[in-house]
Amino acid sequence: GAVVSQHPSRVICKSGTSVKIECRSLDFQATTMFWYRQFPKQSLMLMATSNEGSKATYEQGVEKDKFLINHASLTLSTLTVTSAHPEDSSFYICSASRQGGLDTQYFGPGTRLTVL
Amino acid sequence: GNSVTQMEGPVTLSEEAFLTINCTYTATGYPSLFWYVQYPGEGLQLLLKATKADDKGSNKGFEATYRKETTSFHLEKGSVQVSDSAVYFCALRNTGGGNKLTFGTGTQLKVEL
Repeated sequence: GAVVSQHPSRVICKSGTSVKIECRSLDFQATTMFWYRQFPKQSLMLMATSNEGSKATYEQGVEKDKFLINHASLTLSTLTVTSAHPEDSSFYICSASRQGGLDTQYFGPGTRLTVL
Repeated sequence: GNSVTQMEGPVTLSEEAFLTINCTYTATGYPSLFWYVQYPGEGLQLLLKATKADDKGSNKGFEATYRKETTSFHLEKGSVQVSDSAVYFCALRNTGGGNKLTFGTGTQLKVEL
């Protein structure tokens, strides 16, 4: 149990376009979902935390207008990279937890975004 | 602020060898410490955790002891298998920080026959 999926697994887009990444909890209801970004040979950096039905809380330095997060249901959160540029190319990972507080986070397999 | 430092990989071992992956941390307060494992093509999975000093987390033959005096949480396994080949991430969660995790850079382990 506690499986999290991401779609797509890889995406290549042109500079200036927007890309949507989906994160789904397949067998549990996720009150809280997290979005991370990982650069090569670097650690996962938390971008934002989203609670179902509420606005996401963004980490310092993350542009909320560029990285739009929606968590409209207990099983789905989306990250939209708006007007993507090559510097947005990265590995994006989501995680989900059943409850808020200190519940275990279950991670998706990640999405590789390449912006040309 | 919080930070986690892991040894760089890749670490290449023969099957049945002893494994140590070093992890040290910097944090205010009293963090909980975690090891996550990522197998090829899959998401990170929680491997083990420890929530207070001197606690030992263990799972699937892996162990790590929370050492507050050395701010370390080294991962060990007595005899690795090919199936242990993966990327291992050390992480901390600080008190008062909600469920936010701070990760190390990950260490790739390759186990060969």
